[in-house]
Amino acid sequence: GAGVSQSPRYKVAKRGQDVALRCDPISGHVSLFWYQQALGQGPEFLTYFQNEAQLDKSGLPSDRFFAERPEGSVSTLKIQRTQQEDSAVYLCASSPRGLETQYFGPGTRLLVL
Amino acid sequence: GQNIDQPTEMTATEGAIVQINCTYQTSGFNGLFWYQQHAGEAPTFLSYNVLDGLEEKGRFSSFLSRSKGYSYLLLKELQMKDSASYLCAVLTWGFKTIFGAGTRLFVKA
Repeated sequence: GAGVSQSPRYKVAKRGQDVALRCDPISGHVSLFWYQQALGQGPEFLTYFQNEAQLDKSGLPSDRFFAERPEGSVSTLKIQRTQQEDSAVYLCASSPRGLETQYFGPGTRLLVL
Repeated sequence: GQNIDQPTEMTATEGAIVQINCTYQTSGFNGLFWYQQHAGEAPTFLSYNVLDGLEEKGRFSSFLSRSKGYSYLLLKELQMKDSASYLCAVLTWGFKTIFGAGTRLFVKA
């Protein structure tokens, strides 16, 4: 079937605005990861889900960042009161169980003005 | 702390061989991945090493030495389309993956 999809692909937000980024993983993949990638850098781990359970959220930069995966498939990353330093590409990845290769979505490019 | 080091940039000639090195210090090790990322695109999987030694897959090979915290990616018969960033990543305990900053490879004619 289809690969990992993310929406929107591009988002421009005014500082202080809330945003929600969606990830549709590959069907049947248990594990789902969110990363933040700044220009010229590698992806930085934000959080990890196994089914609907958020097992690691140690990478979330602040309490303005919140992620959920209520039914164990689609996931949403929410950023409240966006700030300019939140501007980055947000990548979602899924894998069958977590110890294998991760399949990445195309990312959401967020620009906070 | 957790640290992955790889060169920032490399340049090589079409048809040649290039080796991209990666050294790592992480809390826990469940395997090392190499990903390719073209500008503006998502990373795509190239290789996975969990045991010491060389893994070969077509024009790409990857080597791992766990005792030295060292890996390399070898690209043979370089093509222009190989111009991209190459990301070294370590899967640590608890499924957390740590990525290096990436090596930008420029292939020239």
